[in-house]
Amino acid sequence: NAGVTQTPKFQVLKTGQSMTLQCAQDMNHEYMSWYRQDPGMGLRLIHYSVGAGITDQGEVPNGYNVSRSTTEDFPLRLLSAAPSQTSVYFCASSTRTVPNYGYTFGSGTRLTVV
Amino acid sequence: GEDVEQSLFLSVREGDSSVINCTYTDSSSTYLYWYKQEPGAGLQLLTYIFSNMDMKQDQRLTVLLNKKDKHLSLRIADTQTGDSAIYFCAESIKNTDKLIFGTGTRLQVFP
Repeated sequence: NAGVTQTPKFQVLKTGQSMTLQCAQDMNHEYMSWYRQDPGMGLRLIHYSVGAGITDQGEVPNGYNVSRSTTEDFPLRLLSAAPSQTSVYFCASSTRTVPNYGYTFGSGTRLTVV
Repeated sequence: GEDVEQSLFLSVREGDSSVINCTYTDSSSTYLYWYKQEPGAGLQLLTYIFSNMDMKQDQRLTVLLNKKDKHLSLRIADTQTGDSAIYFCAESIKNTDKLIFGTGTRLQVFP
């Protein structure tokens, strides 16, 4: 009953470095998404996926890539880290059936870019 | 476009009721949600309400929905220090899987 697992929990990057934030869920949820949380701005959608092999851009996709090769995993890649990408990143998943009882969130990855 | 607004802070005395308010713009939203975020943690679903309901009660939590005014509120009865957290309102976007979140309201409970 792990739910949504995010790794790592904390990361410090230098400007220009690349890295991948991992997200895995064991609930067979079709829908997965990445959000970033910044003070006073709530949650902003970066990318999402409605199933394996299908991804789409959210509100703030620039500087990030995603892929969805399996139902369980939805990694987020930072191509060339910038200080503006310092944030807390959350992965969330949900079923696509009705009724929809909302998202299940991971515990977050706190990223600092210096 | 879709937008969800909340006040940023609320401070209440332990034992009092807390009321957290939210306004949204998408009148076709099917579900509206309240999430709780404790320090250093992810968001946890507290409760949700279907758009054809006016009220939903779940123990100390009461959700009120005014569709005409696009206003959602969360009332926490007998607020405890453990209720201190950030509370997010979210609306579903019809025919999509997306949720639009508000900025969150930080609830501080003092003795």
